[in-house]
Amino acid sequence: AIQMTQSPSSLSASVGDRVTITCRASQGIRNDVDWYQQKPGEAPKLLIYAASTLQSGVPSRFSGSGSGTDFTLTISSLQPEDFATYYCLQDYNYPFTFGPGTKVDI
Amino acid sequence: QVHLVESGGGMVPPGGSLRLSCVASGFIFSDYGMHWVRQAPGRGLEWVTFLRYDGSTIHYADSVKGRFTISRDISKNTLYLQMNGLTTEDTALYYCARQFGRLTFDSWGQGTQVTVSS
Repeated sequence: AIQMTQSPSSLSASVGDRVTITCRASQGIRNDVDWYQQKPGEAPKLLIYAASTLQSGVPSRFSGSGSGTDFTLTISSLQPEDFATYYCLQDYNYPFTFGPGTKVDI
Repeated sequence: QVHLVESGGGMVPPGGSLRLSCVASGFIFSDYGMHWVRQAPGRGLEWVTFLRYDGSTIHYADSVKGRFTISRDISKNTLYLQMNGLTTEDTALYYCARQFGRLTFDSWGQGTQVTVSS
C-alpha cells in the first residue's frame, strides 16, 4: 500500500498567516491527491482534488500543488474558520490511504 | 441537496456482527461509487471499502477483508456494510461517502458509531 506522510503534524498560527502543509507519497502517484478539512464533531470536507483543483464552494485562499510524490496545501491568509485538521488522501490506487493529518490551531 | 444518512451503529462484544446502512438522497444513487471510511476515537481517517457505481468492482482494506461486506440496494437508495468478526480495533465512527469520476469523497454522511467492547 502507498504510504502518505504529512508535515507538520500540528502547527500554531494566527489569523492572516500563510500556512503550508506538505504531503509525501511513498511512490509516484501522478496528481492523484485530494485534501480534506475536518473540524471537531464534523465530517471531513473536500477542499482540493486532483492535487490542485478547488472544489466548488471552497474559498480561493485554499490552493494545492504538486505531482509525483510531493504535494502542498496552502492557505494564503488564515481565517478563524480554518482552524481544523487537514488530511491528504491518495486515490491513485487501492487501498486509498490518508495522511495522518495536520492540526492547525491558534 | 445531497444527503447521506448512516445508521445501524451500536455496541457489540468482540466477535459480534453489525450491519450499517447509508441512505442516499438528492442525487442519482446508481451513478455514484460509494465508500465507507472510518475514524477511531481521537485518530485519523481510514478508508475501509468501495463499491463501483455499476457494482462491477469492490475493494476492501486489508484490515477488514474477509470480515466486512459492502453492498447496496438501488431500489432503496441504500448502501450497506455487513461487519462480522468484530474486534476492538474496529471501534470507530463509520462514514459513507460518494465518488463520481475524479471527485473522491465529495459528500459525506454524519457517521454512525460502532463500539466493540466486552
